Amino acid sequence: NAGVTQTPKFQVLKTGQSMTLQCAQDMNHNSMYWYRQDPGMGLRLIYYSASEGTTDKGEVPNGYNVSRLNKREFSLRLESAAPSQTSVYFCASSEARVGWNTEAFFGQGTRLTVV
Amino acid sequence: KNEVEQSPQNLTAQEGEFITINCSYSVGISALHWLQQHPGGGIVSLFMLSSGKKKHGRLIATINIQEKHSSLHITASHPRDSAVYICAVSRTGNQFYFGTGTSLTVIP
Repeated sequence: NAGVTQTPKFQVLKTGQSMTLQCAQDMNHNSMYWYRQDPGMGLRLIYYSASEGTTDKGEVPNGYNVSRLNKREFSLRLESAAPSQTSVYFCASSEARVGWNTEAFFGQGTRLTVV
Repeated sequence: KNEVEQSPQNLTAQEGEFITINCSYSVGISALHWLQQHPGGGIVSLFMLSSGKKKHGRLIATINIQEKHSSLHITASHPRDSAVYICAVSRTGNQFYFGTGTSLTVIP
């Protein structure tokens, strides 16, 4: 019963390098999300995908791109990493149905340091 | 201005104490969520509630929709309860808004 699986768990990048964070869920959820968590701040939405084939910007999308490859997978790409992107990143998914209260399921997080 | 405010930010308790964490929100919601995050760990959902009260083991969550307020109570606290507790609300469109979390330390 894997739930939401994120890889990698830890990553150190040099400024300017690129990388992709992978996320997969096995709960057949429609909605998937990428958040970043910084000290003293709540989780902030980077991008979300309400369904396969759609993506939308969240609160802090600059410097990131996403790809909803299929219903299971939602990846987050940093094209040119900056120290300001040092953070803990969480992928989440939910069964998004109009009129239903939806619970979010989170991955284990990726600790990214950009030096 | 954050749509979700939690208090206190930090809390230290002796083992066995009764603990209360508060959450206030300023927007219309479809549900309120309490989440738990252990140091270096992932985030797990403890409760999702839209009215009344829910209980799971030593944890109790209540919500007052009229006052836009929720509380998370931990009875007979234990060191393994040490974690960050996050209040979040979900709205139409399946967006979630998160508080900044309450860091709880329970001392043996």
